[in-house]
Amino acid sequence: DAGITQSPRHKVTETGTPVTLRCHQTENHRYMYWYRQDPGHGLRLIHYSYGVKDTDKGEVSDGYSVSRSKTEDFLLTLESATSSQTSVYFCAISAIAGETQYFGPGTRLLVL
Amino acid sequence: SQQGEEDPQALSIQEGENATMNCSYKTSINNLQWYRQNSGRGLVHLILIRSNEREKHSGRLRVTLDTSKKSSSLLITASRAADTASYFCATRMGKNRDDKIIFGKGTRLHILP
Repeated sequence: DAGITQSPRHKVTETGTPVTLRCHQTENHRYMYWYRQDPGHGLRLIHYSYGVKDTDKGEVSDGYSVSRSKTEDFLLTLESATSSQTSVYFCAISAIAGETQYFGPGTRLLVL
Repeated sequence: SQQGEEDPQALSIQEGENATMNCSYKTSINNLQWYRQNSGRGLVHLILIRSNEREKHSGRLRVTLDTSKKSSSLLITASRAADTASYFCATRMGKNRDDKIIFGKGTRLHILP
């Protein structure tokens, strides 16, 4: 298995609070992605990174920000959590853009 | 924006039978990938097939690609209980450095004992 970890694995928070999810890789892959998975919507891209300090928006980026200060870490921040952001969040990495992605175990986030 | 769409949405078959899932997409692709997701887990990459390829095999998995029909199929032969999972196709459309892949909504496969 590719070395990808996500933390926390589960989180319950209240509406309006900031939340940061962490993705850590040991593969030295250039590309990192944050997705959310919801019933009926499949997997949707939130933000992605193509290098240290290089990030861009995905399909559903509103209300989210990201940072990548080191190759191995990609942080996803919900600036002010809302109930619509209750979801399962997956981090993925790839060595080449648009090619095989390796996924982390996911973070289940519940916003009350 | 949904590019790939799997069919059927759900499939139940007896253990030992073959399972076939299909993926249709709308625009030209660079490659198409299939992933598996077991309940509560992250996705696992199965096979990548490029636009100039027509068929690929990996163990009990066989993937075909028909670019004229903009469709792909995933065949799992001699199914096992452990094959119970959701299967997703994902498509890459361009060749640029920052290209992403777009996932379909998946087919839920249930293998009956």
